[in-house]
Parts: sequence; structure tokens; C-alpha cells
Amino acid sequence: QQQVKQSPQSLIVQKGGIPIINCAYENTAFDYFPWYQQFPGKGPALLIAIRPDVSEKKEGRFTISFNKSAKQFSLHIMDSQPGDSATYFCAASLGSGAGSYQLTFGKGTKLSVIP
Amino acid sequence: DAGITQSPRHKVTETGTPVTLRCHQTENHRYMYWYRQDPGHGLRLIHYSYGVKDTDKGEVSDGYSVSRSKTEDFLLTLESATSSQTSVYFCAISAQYSGGDGYTFGSGTRLTVV
Repeated sequence: QQQVKQSPQSLIVQKGGIPIINCAYENTAFDYFPWYQQFPGKGPALLIAIRPDVSEKKEGRFTISFNKSAKQFSLHIMDSQPGDSATYFCAASLGSGAGSYQLTFGKGTKLSVIP
Repeated sequence: DAGITQSPRHKVTETGTPVTLRCHQTENHRYMYWYRQDPGHGLRLIHYSYGVKDTDKGEVSDGYSVSRSKTEDFLLTLESATSSQTSVYFCAISAQYSGGDGYTFGSGTRLTVV
């Protein structure tokens, strides 16, 4: 069973703060690591993704940091806003072979940004 | 969500009754998935499809069956609903191997089994 372990389960920060969500994986064959953002009553939506050949990727206020040797990756949200309040899921998938089209998800982090 | 529609959005059913949830896509994507979302468990894969009439089991497939007779439709059936199947069900689609362009999720079906 492939696993992706996500922490913390919930997170409260003040507006302008930098929440950090961490994920760890076991399978070194994983080669695609996306983050999804989910607002209440909606389906998850792809936020940002990284492959293991880079250590960092930025898109707007969202940054993924990737540590291949530690088998860990994290999401940082710069200058967080109340509108960023949502549940965030990390995920990972294999690049080839059986099951390569399946994403394995972390259990999610509920982020609340207080004005 | 553009290109993917789930129906119904909400359903209440009685224990022991069969229930079918529908996922319809207009993107002509090859891969389709059914997930359930429960507090503390995140998203868990129920079944997936890699083409018309090609399906396989996911992590939590017991009590569920699926069918895909057309590229655009992926049906999830609870043969005999139980209270443990009360959940929010999401369908997702992807075009490429490893979801390399990401999954697109539907808006979900909230199912309550009483």
C-alpha cells in the first residue's frame, strides 16, 4: 500500500502569516507530487505540482519545496489571506507501470486564515 | 467544474437499497476515478477506469461496483447501501498517465444512508 503522510491535520494562522504543510512519502518511484485545494462544498482543484528533478517551484504565493533524499515535500503559502482558508491535500503518483495513473492522497490539512 | 458533472448532488437512501451515482465528462479523457471523502481519511480510491469497459478496484472497493460503457460516463453502484457508505463521493478524470496534468474533480455527491 503506497502511503503519503500529511501533517498537520489542521492549521490556524493570522492573515499575512506563512502556513507550511508537510508531506512524506515512502515509495522512491513516485515522480509526480501535486497539491490540491478544496473549498467547502466543492471538489478538490489542482493548485501546484512538482516533479523530483527540481527542489522548489513557485506559482504566485504558493511554493512547493521538495527534498528527494528525505522523501518529503511541503507547501508554503506566502502572505496568507482569509480566502486561502480551505483544505489542502498533497498527493503522489508513479510515473510508469501498473497503477501509474493513480494518485495517492494525504489525509488533508484544514487551513484557517484569521483576519 | 468544467467538463465533469456528477449526479445527483445529494441523495438520501435507506439501508439495503441499491444506489447508482453518475459521472459524466465532456473532455474525452481516458481515465476516470471514483473517490470517497470522509473526515480523517482524506480521499480514498474506490474504483477507476482506464478505458471503455476497462475498470479496476481501488483501495476501498468492497460493496461497490462500476461500469463504463461509454467514454463519457462512469457509473458507481452501491449494490446494497449500508450506513458505512454515508460519505461524499467524488468523480475525477485525467488525460495522461500518472495524472501528469492533474485530476479534474467533479463537485461531489453527498450520500446519506439511513
